[in-house]
Amino acid sequence: AQSVTQLDSQVPVFEEAPVELRCNYSSSVSVYLFWYVQYPNQGLQLLLKYLSGSTLVKGINGFEAEFNKSQTSFHLRKPSVHISDTAEYFCAVSASDTDKLIFGTGTRLQVFP
Amino acid sequence: SAVISQKPSRDICQRGTSLTIQCQVDSQVTMMFWYRQQPGQSLTLIATANQGSEATYESGFVIDKFPISRPNLTFSTLTVSNMSPEDSSIYLCSVRPWDGYTFGSGTRLTVV
Repeated sequence: AQSVTQLDSQVPVFEEAPVELRCNYSSSVSVYLFWYVQYPNQGLQLLLKYLSGSTLVKGINGFEAEFNKSQTSFHLRKPSVHISDTAEYFCAVSASDTDKLIFGTGTRLQVFP
Repeated sequence: SAVISQKPSRDICQRGTSLTIQCQVDSQVTMMFWYRQQPGQSLTLIATANQGSEATYESGFVIDKFPISRPNLTFSTLTVSNMSPEDSSIYLCSVRPWDGYTFGSGTRLTVV
């Protein structure tokens, strides 16, 4: 069975600073990886996904993530954050043999002026 | 990508009662997934529903508490039975078309 770990429950950062949200996964088969964002009292929004191909994935709102198979990681990055990026970010993994999407515990990104 | 219509969007229910949540998808999908998001928590998979067979429940979830129906390839229901305040959560359905996962807008349930 697959699993996913988000090491940081909260990440505080100042506006216009770069940010990296960490995600590590575990699976015995090939995986598909996703990052979702959830703004306060709103639904889930897909930021980006890795299904195959290039390991550097670009998503919406200036976010990108890199799939690193050797380190079993899929960290999310943004070079310059805005106040509006304040939200909860979820990493999720789906193993190729199950189709179940399993979520990490989430990272709260707090952007300060 | 698939579009999911989920209802109700929210409800306040008395303890001991049941609530049925519906998800309608605009295209045929093999599997549908049901999740729970407790306050301040991440999403936890409840079960996977295939058309024409019993749903498969994750550890910690049982059919008597969360019965699921999947009568066809575009529709599913989740019932939260004999509710207690601990069942207060957001419940979401999801499907997986070829390019990733799509989620319903969620049902915010409050049990009083």
